[in-house]
Amino acid sequence: AQSVTQPDIHITVSEGASLELRCNYSYGATPYLFWYVQSPGQGLQLLLKYFSGDTLVQGIKGFEAEFKRSQSSFNLRKPSVHWSDAAEYFCAVAPGGNTPLVFGKGTRLSVIA
Amino acid sequence: NAGVTQTPKFQVLKTGQSMTLQCAQDMNHNSMYWYRQDPGMGLRLIYYSASEGTTDKGEVPNGYNVSRLNKREFSLRLESAAPSQTSVYFCASSLANSPLHFGNGTRLTVT
Repeated sequence: AQSVTQPDIHITVSEGASLELRCNYSYGATPYLFWYVQSPGQGLQLLLKYFSGDTLVQGIKGFEAEFKRSQSSFNLRKPSVHWSDAAEYFCAVAPGGNTPLVFGKGTRLSVIA
Repeated sequence: NAGVTQTPKFQVLKTGQSMTLQCAQDMNHNSMYWYRQDPGMGLRLIYYSASEGTTDKGEVPNGYNVSRLNKREFSLRLESAAPSQTSVYFCASSLANSPLHFGNGTRLTVT
């Protein structure tokens, strides 16, 4: 079955430390890949997307993600986390055609001083 | 530019009551979606409409109906609310194979 897995339910990092959030998917072909962020009480905001081409994509707020076909992964990274990055992060996959996005269960990020 | 607008923001229902969640987008998007978000479950697709005049079931459609009223509006109806439908509901819209744009959600409690 097609699925998106975010293995980490909750991650805590210190402000200024680097961050990597993991995402793995299981689809036959290379799907379209997305990362969204959700602040408390808000809707989801697109951080970045991968459709094709360069496997390292840059997004908003200093985030980047790397697509690794051999590992079926699309991990999100940030070199230095700010307290305002505390939020929930969702990886999503569009299998193609007009098939709707499938979301992972999310990773909640806490940032400590 | 309003984007995706959902109403109401909050709602409390008693078991068995009905209600309609409204969603409108002003981005001329063809596709619209309804998701529900529950703790630890991520977002699960209820229904979607790939284009005006079409609707399709998603992962969790039971207990819901939808209407794509026109290109801008996509409503979600609960005919007989149940406590299991307590959730946060998100409407989203997009062009084909493009990122989704989300509304700010409707927090529904069914007692």
